[in-house]
Amino acid sequence: GENVEQHPSTLSVQEGDSAVIKCTYSDSASNYFPWYKQELGKGPQLIIDIRSNVGEKKDQRIAVTLNKTAKHFSLHITETQPEDSAVYFCAASKGTDKLIFGTGTRLQVFP
Amino acid sequence: DTAVSQTPKYLVTQMGNDKSIKCEQNLGHDTMYWYKQDSKKFLKIMFSYNNKELIINETVPNRFSPKSPDKAHLNLHINSLELGDSAVYFCASSQGWDQNTEAFFGQGTRLTVV
Repeated sequence: GENVEQHPSTLSVQEGDSAVIKCTYSDSASNYFPWYKQELGKGPQLIIDIRSNVGEKKDQRIAVTLNKTAKHFSLHITETQPEDSAVYFCAASKGTDKLIFGTGTRLQVFP
Repeated sequence: DTAVSQTPKYLVTQMGNDKSIKCEQNLGHDTMYWYKQDSKKFLKIMFSYNNKELIINETVPNRFSPKSPDKAHLNLHINSLELGDSAVYFCASSQGWDQNTEAFFGQGTRLTVV
């Protein structure tokens, strides 16, 4: 079955710097890669997703890149702000198979 | 209006007890899920229902029994609670039964078994 690895487990950055979180997946048939943000005491919330027919997607300060050959995808956050502090999860799925989550990255943005 | 709401938010109970967590979504979605998040934040699916029918049933002890009275509700009943059941349980919903769509999560139920 699918296995998703996520690095780093913790990431601390200064406000205004960029943050990059990387994930690798094992099943080459996976075709949907969402990223979820989980704030303290809340449920995960989708922030951006990418499908396998696209190599990059941007939404304001957030971007995701996908390398299907290498089976890895990354989340890029530019101009980080304190409110970006949260736990971020990558995930992968294909069709009706269950969504497999990465192990999470705790991002701390210091003012 | 809360899209996916689950109750209670906190649940503290003794080993051996039976408890239920309720979930309701007002998004008109066809598919609902239960996820378990352990102390290390690992998020793992337990069950998925589409239009009241079970479509994903992970390797979960049969002490856990989901019930979907209609497509807007998915409750989780847990029998004979054990210490290892302590975790945060999230309900979620999505449109359609293809997993390649956004899942909307509830706020979670923190279950503590003492």
